[in-house]
Amino acid sequence: NAGVTQTPKFRILKIGQSMTLQCTQDMNHNYMYWYRQDPGMGLKLIYYSVGAGITDKGEVPNGYNVSRSTTEDFPLRLELAAPSQTSVYFCASSPRGTSGTGTDTQYFGPGTRLTVL
Amino acid sequence: QKEVEQNSGPLSVPEGAIASLNCTYSDRGSQSFFWYRQYSGKSPELIMFIYSNGDKEDGRFTAQLNKASQYVSLLIRDSQPSDSATYLCAGPRANKLIFGTGTLLAVQP
Repeated sequence: NAGVTQTPKFRILKIGQSMTLQCTQDMNHNYMYWYRQDPGMGLKLIYYSVGAGITDKGEVPNGYNVSRSTTEDFPLRLELAAPSQTSVYFCASSPRGTSGTGTDTQYFGPGTRLTVL
Repeated sequence: QKEVEQNSGPLSVPEGAIASLNCTYSDRGSQSFFWYRQYSGKSPELIMFIYSNGDKEDGRFTAQLNKASQYVSLLIRDSQPSDSATYLCAGPRANKLIFGTGTLLAVQP
Protein backbone atom coordinates (compact mmCIF):
# COMPACT_ATOMS: atom_id res chain seq x y z
CA ASN A 1 0.00 0.00 0.00
CA ALA A 2 1.21 3.47 -0.84
CA GLY A 3 -0.83 5.01 2.02
CA VAL A 4 -1.48 8.72 1.52
CA THR A 5 0.19 10.33 -1.48
CA GLN A 6 0.38 14.02 -2.31
CA THR A 7 1.40 15.86 -5.44
CA PRO A 8 3.26 18.00 -6.16
CA LYS A 9 6.04 17.92 -3.55
CA PHE A 10 7.03 21.52 -4.20
CA ARG A 11 5.40 24.41 -6.02
CA ILE A 12 6.06 28.12 -6.47
CA LEU A 13 3.06 30.26 -7.39
CA LYS A 14 2.76 33.89 -8.30
CA ILE A 15 0.24 36.05 -6.46
CA GLY A 16 -3.20 35.61 -7.97
CA GLN A 17 -2.53 32.24 -9.58
CA SER A 18 -4.59 29.18 -8.77
CA MET A 19 -3.65 25.56 -8.29
CA THR A 20 -4.92 22.23 -7.01
CA LEU A 21 -3.05 20.12 -4.49
CA GLN A 22 -3.76 16.46 -5.03
CA CYS A 23 -4.26 13.89 -2.26
CA THR A 24 -4.98 10.20 -2.74
CA GLN A 25 -5.23 7.38 -0.24
CA ASP A 26 -5.46 3.67 -0.94
CA MET A 27 -6.55 2.50 2.52
CA ASN A 28 -10.29 2.88 1.89
CA HIS A 29 -10.54 5.45 4.66
CA ASN A 30 -13.72 7.47 4.89
CA TYR A 31 -12.22 10.43 6.69
CA MET A 32 -9.77 12.79 5.04
CA TYR A 33 -8.21 16.06 6.18
CA TRP A 34 -6.20 18.99 4.89
CA TYR A 35 -3.82 20.84 7.20
CA ARG A 36 -1.37 23.64 6.77
CA GLN A 37 1.74 24.06 8.86
CA ASP A 38 3.63 27.33 8.95
CA PRO A 39 7.31 27.33 10.02
CA GLY A 40 7.68 26.52 13.71
CA MET A 41 3.95 26.26 14.16
CA GLY A 42 1.44 23.51 14.73
CA LEU A 43 -1.06 22.01 12.31
CA LYS A 44 -4.09 24.05 11.37
CA LEU A 45 -7.09 22.24 9.88
CA ILE A 46 -8.30 23.72 6.59
CA TYR A 47 -11.07 21.34 5.50
CA TYR A 48 -12.10 17.79 6.19
CA SER A 49 -14.41 15.16 4.75
CA VAL A 50 -16.27 12.32 6.43
CA GLY A 51 -17.03 10.53 3.18
CA ALA A 52 -17.50 10.97 -0.53
CA GLY A 53 -19.68 13.99 -1.24
CA ILE A 54 -19.40 15.41 2.29
CA THR A 55 -16.98 18.17 3.26
CA ASP A 56 -16.79 20.66 6.09
CA LYS A 57 -14.71 23.66 7.08
CA GLY A 58 -11.93 23.51 9.59
CA GLU A 59 -10.15 26.26 11.44
CA VAL A 60 -8.70 28.20 8.46
CA PRO A 61 -10.82 27.58 5.32
CA ASN A 62 -10.66 31.04 3.73
CA GLY A 63 -8.98 31.06 0.35
CA TYR A 64 -9.39 27.32 -0.18
CA ASN A 65 -11.95 24.94 -1.62
CA VAL A 66 -12.27 21.17 -1.58
CA SER A 67 -14.30 18.44 -3.19
CA ARG A 68 -14.66 14.73 -2.49
CA SER A 69 -16.13 12.84 -5.39
CA THR A 70 -14.50 9.51 -4.54
CA THR A 71 -13.33 7.79 -1.35
CA GLU A 72 -9.74 7.86 -2.55
CA ASP A 73 -9.26 11.48 -3.62
CA PHE A 74 -9.52 14.75 -1.73
CA PRO A 75 -8.07 17.65 -3.76
CA LEU A 76 -7.50 21.09 -2.26
CA ARG A 77 -7.99 24.09 -4.51
CA LEU A 78 -6.27 27.42 -3.95
CA GLU A 79 -7.92 30.32 -5.73
CA LEU A 80 -6.11 33.65 -6.14
CA ALA A 81 -2.98 32.65 -4.25
CA ALA A 82 -1.67 35.09 -1.65
CA PRO A 83 1.70 35.23 0.17
CA SER A 84 -0.14 34.31 3.38
CA GLN A 85 -0.79 30.88 1.83
CA THR A 86 2.92 30.09 1.77
CA SER A 87 3.08 26.99 3.92
CA VAL A 88 3.50 23.22 3.98
CA TYR A 89 0.25 21.41 3.28
CA PHE A 90 -0.45 17.97 4.67
CA CYS A 91 -3.24 15.63 3.74
CA ALA A 92 -4.27 12.92 6.19
CA SER A 93 -6.78 10.09 6.29
CA SER A 94 -8.44 8.05 9.02
CA PRO A 95 -10.64 4.96 9.04
CA ARG A 96 -13.02 6.58 11.48
CA GLY A 97 -13.85 9.88 13.07
CA THR A 98 -13.74 10.36 16.81
CA SER A 99 -13.86 6.94 18.38
CA GLY A 100 -11.76 6.99 21.52
CA THR A 101 -10.43 3.57 20.62
CA GLY A 102 -7.54 4.45 18.34
CA THR A 103 -9.37 3.71 15.13
CA ASP A 104 -9.46 7.46 14.60
CA THR A 105 -5.69 7.52 14.08
CA GLN A 106 -4.78 9.86 11.26
CA TYR A 107 -2.17 8.87 8.69
CA PHE A 108 -0.33 11.67 6.95
CA GLY A 109 0.95 12.15 3.44
CA PRO A 110 4.47 13.51 2.78
CA GLY A 111 3.29 17.09 2.29
CA THR A 112 3.40 19.78 -0.38
CA ARG A 113 5.66 22.77 0.17
CA LEU A 114 4.03 25.82 -1.42
CA THR A 115 5.60 29.25 -1.86
CA VAL A 116 3.58 32.21 -3.12
CA LEU A 117 5.65 35.13 -4.43
CA GLN B 1 -7.06 28.85 26.71
CA LYS B 2 -6.05 26.62 23.83
CA GLU B 3 -7.70 23.22 23.69
CA VAL B 4 -4.37 21.40 23.65
CA GLU B 5 -1.25 23.11 24.97
CA GLN B 6 2.39 22.14 24.84
CA ASN B 7 5.62 23.84 25.79
CA SER B 8 7.34 24.64 22.49
CA GLY B 9 10.79 23.93 23.93
CA PRO B 10 13.40 23.21 22.88
CA LEU B 11 13.83 20.47 25.43
CA SER B 12 17.45 19.41 25.48
CA VAL B 13 18.49 16.11 27.09
CA PRO B 14 21.76 14.15 26.97
CA GLU B 15 21.91 10.84 25.17
CA GLY B 16 20.73 8.00 27.40
CA ALA B 17 18.58 10.22 29.62
CA ILE B 18 14.80 10.20 30.01
CA ALA B 19 12.96 12.86 28.00
CA SER B 20 9.63 13.99 29.43
CA LEU B 21 7.17 15.74 27.13
CA ASN B 22 3.96 17.19 28.47
CA CYS B 23 0.59 18.27 27.18
CA THR B 24 -2.45 19.79 28.90
CA TYR B 25 -5.96 19.96 27.53
CA SER B 26 -9.08 21.92 28.31
CA ASP B 27 -11.89 19.56 27.28
CA ARG B 28 -12.83 17.43 30.29
CA GLY B 29 -14.74 15.15 27.95
CA SER B 30 -11.61 14.09 26.05
CA GLN B 31 -11.23 10.35 26.34
CA SER B 32 -8.07 9.68 24.39
CA PHE B 33 -4.88 11.20 23.07
CA PHE B 34 -2.31 10.65 20.38
CA TRP B 35 1.40 11.35 20.30
CA TYR B 36 2.95 12.07 16.91
CA ARG B 37 6.61 12.59 16.05
CA GLN B 38 7.63 14.96 13.27
CA TYR B 39 11.17 15.11 11.97
CA SER B 40 12.24 18.38 10.37
CA GLY B 41 10.84 18.62 6.85
CA LYS B 42 8.77 15.46 7.22
CA SER B 43 5.18 14.62 7.98
CA PRO B 44 3.86 13.62 11.42
CA GLU B 45 3.96 9.92 12.23
CA LEU B 46 2.05 8.21 15.01
CA ILE B 47 4.04 7.05 18.03
CA MET B 48 1.38 6.10 20.52
CA PHE B 49 -2.27 6.29 21.37
CA ILE B 50 -3.68 6.23 24.90
CA TYR B 51 -7.32 6.19 25.99
CA SER B 52 -7.36 5.15 29.61
CA ASN B 53 -5.97 6.63 32.77
CA GLY B 54 -2.55 5.43 33.70
CA ASP B 55 0.44 4.36 31.67
CA LYS B 56 0.86 2.69 28.32
CA GLU B 57 4.28 1.38 27.34
CA ASP B 58 5.69 0.59 23.91
CA GLY B 59 9.40 -0.11 23.82
CA ARG B 60 11.27 2.98 25.03
CA PHE B 61 8.10 5.06 24.97
CA THR B 62 5.58 5.44 27.80
CA ALA B 63 2.44 7.55 27.51
CA GLN B 64 0.67 8.68 30.66
CA LEU B 65 -2.86 10.05 30.86
CA ASN B 66 -4.33 11.74 33.92
CA LYS B 67 -7.91 12.71 33.19
CA ALA B 68 -8.50 14.32 36.57
CA SER B 69 -5.61 16.72 35.99
CA GLN B 70 -6.26 16.98 32.23
CA TYR B 71 -2.67 16.12 31.56
CA VAL B 72 -0.97 13.73 29.16
CA SER B 73 2.74 13.03 28.91
CA LEU B 74 5.22 11.06 26.86
CA LEU B 75 8.38 9.63 28.39
CA ILE B 76 11.24 8.51 26.19
CA ARG B 77 13.74 6.31 27.98
CA ASP B 78 17.36 5.93 26.88
CA SER B 79 17.00 8.91 24.55
CA GLN B 80 18.93 8.69 21.30
CA PRO B 81 20.03 11.44 18.91
CA SER B 82 17.58 9.90 16.42
CA ASP B 83 14.76 10.88 18.79
CA SER B 84 15.48 14.55 18.08
CA ALA B 85 12.25 15.81 16.52
CA THR B 86 9.10 17.77 17.29
CA TYR B 87 6.51 15.84 19.30
CA LEU B 88 2.86 16.71 18.82
CA CYS B 89 0.04 15.65 21.10
CA ALA B 90 -3.50 15.55 19.76
CA GLY B 91 -6.95 14.93 21.18
CA PRO B 92 -10.04 13.87 19.20
CA ARG B 93 -12.96 16.28 18.89
CA ALA B 94 -15.98 15.77 16.63
CA ASN B 95 -14.36 13.73 13.85
CA LYS B 96 -11.21 15.82 14.00
CA LEU B 97 -7.93 15.86 15.89
CA ILE B 98 -6.96 18.97 17.83
CA PHE B 99 -3.17 19.27 17.76
CA GLY B 100 -0.88 21.07 20.14
CA THR B 101 1.84 23.24 18.65
CA GLY B 102 4.48 20.64 19.43
CA THR B 103 7.60 20.40 21.61
CA LEU B 104 11.02 20.35 19.98
CA LEU B 105 13.25 17.69 21.54
CA ALA B 106 17.01 17.81 21.06
CA VAL B 107 19.03 14.80 22.26
CA GLN B 108 22.69 15.72 22.68
CA PRO B 109 25.27 12.99 21.87
